[in-house]
Amino acid sequence: DGGITQSPKYLFRKEGQNVTLSCEQNLNHDAMYWYRQDPGQGLRLIYYSQIVNDFQKGDIAEGYSVSREKKESFPLTVTSAQKNPTAFYLCASSISTDYNEQFFGPGTRLTVL
Amino acid sequence: KNQVEQSPQSLIILEGKNCTLQCNYTVSPFSNLRWYKQDTGRGPVSLTIMTFSENTKSNGRYTATLDADTKQSSLHITASQLSDSASYICVVSGGDPGGYQKVTFGIGTKLQVIP
Repeated sequence: DGGITQSPKYLFRKEGQNVTLSCEQNLNHDAMYWYRQDPGQGLRLIYYSQIVNDFQKGDIAEGYSVSREKKESFPLTVTSAQKNPTAFYLCASSISTDYNEQFFGPGTRLTVL
Repeated sequence: KNQVEQSPQSLIILEGKNCTLQCNYTVSPFSNLRWYKQDTGRGPVSLTIMTFSENTKSNGRYTATLDADTKQSSLHITASQLSDSASYICVVSGGDPGGYQKVTFGIGTKLQVIP
């Protein structure tokens, strides 16, 4: 069953704590992306990765970090430096960044208490 | 600056009725335009994709149109069903052929279909 998965679906954290969101895909896609979705705004790109061991900052990378040690995995860490981390986070993948039909995961809703 | 604007922001229609959602964009150079459906609390799912040379694309009861000259697209939903209740997001990609495609997302139109 091919697809892209994210876990957990809901995540709560206290202020000042780092938290890592998981994203896994078995579509054999080279490119992976992290987006943030807030009410009244379009999806905003946090980081993207074109290939293993490579990643680039998106439009709102401050306070976030990523790694791409394996093709199928692209975890996102929300650090304590992110001033307003409460949001819905979406992971996506595509064959490559120049063929960009993106397939999205189900999302993780992060709430900072 | 690349922008994608959608209208209306929200829409309520009766089950069985048709509706049309609008998308205007200023992305340049233009590569393709997609419409996604996003159920509440879920990830977006692609409905249609159109390139510069295509002006209409259908997927079941969903029909998208594209006017690349005026940089406008519409999504028409025929004979709406309760399951059509969702946000519909217009997404425009642009960039040099073979290069990184910058993706710009609209805010979406929230559609509610009522019995």
